[in-house]
Amino acid sequence: KNEVEQSPQNLTAQEGEFITINCSYSVGISALHWLQQHPGGGIVSLFMLSSGKKKHGRLIATINIQEKHSSLHITASHPRDSAVYICAVVNNYQLIWGAGTKLIIKP
Amino acid sequence: DTEVTQTPKHLVMGMTNKKSLKCEQHMGHRAMYWYKQKAKKPPELMFVYSYEKLSINESVPSRFSPECPNSSLLNLHLHALQPEDSALYLCASSQDQGRLHGQYFGPGTRLTVL
Repeated sequence: KNEVEQSPQNLTAQEGEFITINCSYSVGISALHWLQQHPGGGIVSLFMLSSGKKKHGRLIATINIQEKHSSLHITASHPRDSAVYICAVVNNYQLIWGAGTKLIIKP
Repeated sequence: DTEVTQTPKHLVMGMTNKKSLKCEQHMGHRAMYWYKQKAKKPPELMFVYSYEKLSINESVPSRFSPECPNSSLLNLHLHALQPEDSALYLCASSQDQGRLHGQYFGPGTRLTVL
């Protein structure tokens, strides 16, 4: 079993829909990252969380340390949000990566 | 300036070539990282430089050798690579290797080994 699990693996939605991507982890962590990667491109860090909730524009990230679970939400989704979204946790000064969720938003 | 820059963006090399990838940041970060990412896989950590000290993922072959000329620059020297080394190479930096500081990623170098 992977230490960081994301769901779903793939998600296709219509423009405007509310999107939720989930991340569960089984190790002790000091922080959790949500990152975005466009096809063939570099990685952009969206959020780093150690507790609670953060919001940036249409993106919201939450974390429940007790349940070892985090969610990334996208409100009013847009085709430019199409990308791979990756959850990565900080464990012993290293990042443990999830496999990513490929999101496609159709116009 | 919250940017990590990488050059070149694309590199095609033969198995006998020697080349270098470059990474630079001017955020005063004291930790820098090299990752290798194959298609549809998460990045794999290759090297960490933290306060001028190198940490190596022991599974990385010796045909990859990092160099840190100063705290803003991190190079990755490539020699006698194999076609399976073709991948996206990502550089990242963080304030330090500690728990709460996020990593900033560069755009990556797409490497093809013929």
